[in-house]
Parts: sequence; structure tokens; C-alpha cells
Amino acid sequence: DAGVIQSPRHEVTEMGQEVTLRCKPISGHDYLFWYRQTMMRGLELLIYFNNNVPIDDSGMPEDRFSAKMPNASFSTLKIQPSEPRDSAVYFCASSSGDRASNTEAFFGQGTRLTVV
Amino acid sequence: AQTVTQSQPEMSVQEAETVTLSCTYDTSESNYYLFWYKQPPSRQMILVIRQEAYKQQNATENRFSVNFQKAAKSFSLKISDSQLGDTAMYFCAFMNLWGAQKLVFGQGTRLTINP
Repeated sequence: DAGVIQSPRHEVTEMGQEVTLRCKPISGHDYLFWYRQTMMRGLELLIYFNNNVPIDDSGMPEDRFSAKMPNASFSTLKIQPSEPRDSAVYFCASSSGDRASNTEAFFGQGTRLTVV
Repeated sequence: AQTVTQSQPEMSVQEAETVTLSCTYDTSESNYYLFWYKQPPSRQMILVIRQEAYKQQNATENRFSVNFQKAAKSFSLKISDSQLGDTAMYFCAFMNLWGAQKLVFGQGTRLTINP
């Protein structure tokens, strides 16, 4: 498996524009996580899915953020409208959920978002 | 809610030296996992080592080992014979054994290995 694949790797957009980040988890993993990394707040969980269903979105900063997982192999994180304070690295991660044998979360390469 | 604290924002050692990174956490749970992740300049998050709280034996992975003190809620990472490739951000993370399978991260320690 190629691992968790995120696209794009870099995104520069103007304030007010819609931004969509994409993630393909590892095949067979039933958990998918979206994290945001900033200098000020470190790594924080935004939302996570189990079997394509959102379980906890309490970390989503505000209504401008939304995430979907239409099927087991694809998820999106959308910001509309974007603001400069949304500039960060956004990570997607997936895991098998089998705590007896493997608790490791595998991370994608991240998307560096810059909103100007 | 669980919290993870890394009190050393930055550390620097010479190549081949041994370095220890500190991590403390707060939880009311008795069963959980603890992790150390490495983030090199490439930005990729890489699992270094994992510890199950119900295991008394400290985890080891080659040059990497942990000192897990459950009562003190302490989880330090020791890197022996440090190499230039160990230069990275290191994050300590916590996950409940049951319930929400999500990682709670510390703020990270920037480790520099000097030649």
C-alpha cells in the first residue's frame, strides 16, 4: 500500500476562497483522522471518522470547516470561506482500529495551506 | 480530558551522544497507549516507539527506548548513539485503550544532532 495520500501538498489561496483538502486512507483502515498543526497550537484533532461516519467533530474550529467521507477510500476537508488564520499544515491519518494488534496511526505527508 | 506536556521546546546534542526527551501526561484512565512520533523536516509523522500502559516492561526499538513511570505519569524517550538523521521534532502522544481512538499530542521537542 502506498500509505495515506493527501493532496495537494501545498495550497496557496486568497482570503475568502473555498479550499478543499483531500485524503485517501490506507486500504482496510476503518478510522480516519484530520489533524491541524500550527506553531501556536501544535497538533490538534479536528475530526475523526469510523467506518465513514463522523464520530467526533468537536475540534472543528467553526462552521467554515466541514469534512466528509463519502466512501472508505476518500475524505475531504473543506474550508469556506478561508481566512489567514487557517494557514497551517493539515494532516490526514488512518488506523485499523484493531487495538489488540495494531494501534498505530499512519499519517499522510500533510497539506501546507497558506491563506493570503 | 487528557493532556500531554513536553517541557523541553528544544534540545541539542553531539552526534553519538545519548539524549533523553521528557514527557508527562495527565489522565484518569488506567489503560492507555503512549507513543513517540518523529517529524523530520520532510514533515512526515513517523512512529518511533509505542508503550502499552498495562505492560510494566519498558519498550525498546533499536537505539530508542522509553522510561515509563505509570505512577508518576511520565514517559521519557532515550536515544542512544544519536545520529544526524535523528534531527527532527519529537512528539509524545496519548491514546485511550478504549473509547475514542484519537491521539492527544504534546507540543513537541525540537532535537538537533550536531556533527
